[in-house]
Amino acid sequence: GENVEQHPSTLSVQEGDSAVIKCTYSDSASNYFPWYKQELGKGPQLIIDIRSNVGEKKDQRIAVTLNKTAKHFSLHITETQPEDSAVYFCAFGGFQKLVFGTGTRLLVSP
Amino acid sequence: KAGVTQTPRYLIKTRGQQVTLSCSPISGHRSVSWYQQTPGQGLQFLFEYFSETQRNKGNFPGRFSGRQFSNSRSEMNVSTLELGDSALYLCASSLGDSTEAFFGQGTRLTVV
Repeated sequence: GENVEQHPSTLSVQEGDSAVIKCTYSDSASNYFPWYKQELGKGPQLIIDIRSNVGEKKDQRIAVTLNKTAKHFSLHITETQPEDSAVYFCAFGGFQKLVFGTGTRLLVSP
Repeated sequence: KAGVTQTPRYLIKTRGQQVTLSCSPISGHRSVSWYQQTPGQGLQFLFEYFSETQRNKGNFPGRFSGRQFSNSRSEMNVSTLELGDSALYLCASSLGDSTEAFFGQGTRLTVV
């Protein structure tokens, strides 16, 4: 079945450092790759997404890269801040039927 | 603009009972998807409704069902509850095809 591997499961960085989370997916037909941030007690929040006709997309301190040949996509957060601490999920598939990764717990220490 | 609203936020039920969860999508959104989130299985897709029709279904038993009303509000029902149904149930809405999905805060269901 469709699945996506997400690494690392936990990531600890110092404030100001960069953080990178990587995902590998199984279904080559997918054309939508969103990233969600989930804080404690809240639902997942869409932070950035990329579609298959684009290789990279940036939004301020956040960027996502996509390599469709290798079936890899990555989330890059620069100049991390304590408020970036949360669980991050990659996903792929249809817009309304997403397959989620297992999540990365990011901890940013002041 | 109000976000996706799920009610109730918390629910405790006994094994064998049934439960109904409600989701009000963002105004104008016509697609509603439901997900189950557990520590062991992560986020898993349950089903998706668009214009009152179920378009997609995940790999869950028939005890899990849903429906959508003409105003796009959606409900999901779980019958004959099992301990393993304890989870955070999340609803996401989107305008329609090829548009982003936005999640509600979820309903935390505990089965005892």
